[in-house]
Amino acid sequence: KQEVTQIPAALSVPEGENLVLNCSFTDSAIYNLQWFRQDPGKGLTSLLLIQSSQREQTSGRLNASLDKSSGRSTLYIAASQPGDSATYLCAVNSNYQLIWGAGTKLIIKP
Amino acid sequence: NAGVTQTPKFRILKIGQSMTLQCTQDMNHNYMYWYRQDPGMGLKLIYYSVGAGITDKGEVPNGYNVSRSTTEDFPLRLELAAPSQTSVYFCASSPRTGNYGYTFGSGTRLTVV
Repeated sequence: KQEVTQIPAALSVPEGENLVLNCSFTDSAIYNLQWFRQDPGKGLTSLLLIQSSQREQTSGRLNASLDKSSGRSTLYIAASQPGDSATYLCAVNSNYQLIWGAGTKLIIKP
Repeated sequence: NAGVTQTPKFRILKIGQSMTLQCTQDMNHNYMYWYRQDPGMGLKLIYYSVGAGITDKGEVPNGYNVSRSTTEDFPLRLELAAPSQTSVYFCASSPRTGNYGYTFGSGTRLTVV
C-alpha cells in the first residue's frame, strides 16, 4: 500500500531564505507526483507536476525534484517571501489514485 | 473562468439530516473525484467517476453516495449526517488518469452538530 510522508509538519523561516520541503513515498511504481499549495480556508492550487520519467520541474522560484528509486521528492523554494506562507501538499499518482501526504505548514516571517 | 466549481462553500447540518454537495466542471474532463480532508491530515478519496454513468468507491465511501449523469456534474450525497462527517470536501477533475494533473474546486466546509 502506497504511503506518503511529509517532513517537517511545520516550518518557520525568515524572509529571503531558500528552503526545501520533503516528500517520501513507499512504492516507486508511480505515474507522477504533484505539489500543491493550500491557503487557509481555500482550495488547492497545483504548483508543479513531475512525470515518473522526469527528474525535476521548475516554475519561477519553485523547483521540484523526483527520485523514484529512493522514493523521494523535494520542493525547493528560492528567496522565500511572506506570500509563500501556506500549507504545501504532495500527492503521488499511484494505481490510478492520488495518495496524499499530510502537508508541511510553511510560515515566512517578514 | 474554466475550472471546478463547488457549492455551497459552508454548511452546518444537524445529525441525521441529508444534503447534496454540488460539483461542476467545464473542462470536459472524463475523470472526477470527491475527497475529504480532516484537520492535519492528507486528503482521502471518497468516490470517483471515469465518465458519465460510471462511478466507483474510493478509500472512505461509507455514508456517501454519488451519481454522474453528465460529464460536467458529479454531486455527492450525504445521507443521515454524522459528526464523523465533519470535514472539508474537495471535488477534482482530470482529463484522464495516469500522467495527467488534477484541478480542484475551492472546497465545502461541512460541520455536523
